[in-house]
Amino acid sequence: EIVLTQSPGTLSLSPGERATLSCRASQTISGNYLAWYQQRPGQSPRLLIYGASSRVTGIPDRFSGSGSGTDFTLTISRLEAEDFAIYYCQQYGRSPPWTFGQGTKVEIQ
Amino acid sequence: EEQLVESGGGLVKPGGSLRLTCAASASNFNTYSMSWVRQAPGKGLEWVASISSISTYLSYANSVKGRFTISRDNARNSLYLEMISLRIEDTAVYYCVREANGAIMLFDQWGQGTPVTVSS
Repeated sequence: EIVLTQSPGTLSLSPGERATLSCRASQTISGNYLAWYQQRPGQSPRLLIYGASSRVTGIPDRFSGSGSGTDFTLTISRLEAEDFAIYYCQQYGRSPPWTFGQGTKVEIQ
Repeated sequence: EEQLVESGGGLVKPGGSLRLTCAASASNFNTYSMSWVRQAPGKGLEWVASISSISTYLSYANSVKGRFTISRDNARNSLYLEMISLRIEDTAVYYCVREANGAIMLFDQWGQGTPVTVSS
């Protein structure tokens, strides 16, 4: 089973700052089948990034994903008020079980 | 954009049963695989079960195997989760999610969730 470890647990930043979130897998994720989701307070999660770096239609370009193999990063170039939320990485594709990381909370400093 | 609306959650005693329903608005519901994902209070996301577009393939998390049954009725644009022998640790918000076409377990649409509380 692939275990996804996200760091840091909490990121305290101010609007306009850059956020860098990490997701590390215990084994290589084949095909870079790594996704990122955002969950705002009181809302359902929504898909932001898939294939490690492809942005979903309608997601602002301040969100970018990178990485391969076992190390992946979600970067928010300039934080806006609506970006303060919890972010989860997830591995998908043919290999069960399909797991999520434990989440990184981006909070206002 | 497709809407997914869950219902059927509530308070149930340990050992009890509950049936969740997800109503999908899109007419092409029958072309998508669907899943249930849950989130315990203050915790992260856990995939629970999945069903392919015409119910050919079913899969379950080990934590619910043998107790939960996923099913669908494409004529009614509906997804179901039958839960029996409920445990306290099944307490969570249960989300109905759609899998993106061509991408196994990539969840591109989420419902608003229905809460399930297992408590005596």
